[in-house]
Amino acid sequence: QKEVEQDPGPLSVPEGAIVSLNCTYSNSAFQYFMWYRQYSRKGPELLMYTYSSGNKEDGRFTAQVDKSSKYISLFIRDSQPSDSATYLCAMSGTHYGQNFVFGPGTRLSVLP
Amino acid sequence: KAGVTQTPRYLIKTRGQQVTLSCSPISGHRSVSWYQQTPGQGLQFLFEYFSETQRNKGNFPGRFSGRQFSNSRSEMNVSTLELGDSALYLCASSPRDLGYNEQFFGPGTRLTVL
Repeated sequence: QKEVEQDPGPLSVPEGAIVSLNCTYSNSAFQYFMWYRQYSRKGPELLMYTYSSGNKEDGRFTAQVDKSSKYISLFIRDSQPSDSATYLCAMSGTHYGQNFVFGPGTRLSVLP
Repeated sequence: KAGVTQTPRYLIKTRGQQVTLSCSPISGHRSVSWYQQTPGQGLQFLFEYFSETQRNKGNFPGRFSGRQFSNSRSEMNVSTLELGDSALYLCASSPRDLGYNEQFFGPGTRLTVL
C-alpha cells in the first residue's frame, strides 16, 4: 500500500459543478497537508496548505483535513475551465520539504 | 520577478549515457530542491541544496547527483541512464529554509531515455 493514495481520475465535470478531490494516507505522523495544482507542461503551484485537522477556505477552494480518518479533501466550487489541471496532494510530518510525500495526482477537466 | 527556469526543457538520451540538467532559482532564493515526477511513482524528492551544500537527500541511487554554485544555480546529473529514468525532473527554489509555503517550482525538464 502506498503511503498516500489519491483518487486516480481522470475526472470530467461541467462548468459550475462542485468538485471533490480526495487523498488518504497511512502515516499518522503527517501534520502538514498541501494541495498543488499542475497545469500541462508546468511545474506544480501551491494552492492550499493546512496544519493538523480542520477546514481552510480560500475563494472557491476549501481544504479539509480529517486526521482521525487519515483523509483530506479539496473542494472547488463553481468550477471553471481554467481549473482544468492535475491536482496533487502532499503531506509531511515536518515543515520541511524533503519529507513531503506526494499523491500521484488527479487529472481534472472542467467542460464549458 | 522571474520564476524558476530549467534548461533544457526536453531531452532525449540513450541507455548508458549521462545527462546534466540545469536550474536557475528565483533571484534571492538560496535553497534548490530537485524532484522526479513519473506517472507511476508521482513526485519524489531527490535532494536539496542550500548555500552550495547538499542538505537533504531522498532515496535515489548514487547515479543521481547534484551541485549548487555560488550564485545558487544548481545542476543535476544522472549517470549511466536507465529506461526507468525517463521522467519529468522538477526543480523548486525557496528563499531560505525549505518551507512548504515558500517552494516555487520550475516548468521541469522532460527526459526520455531510449
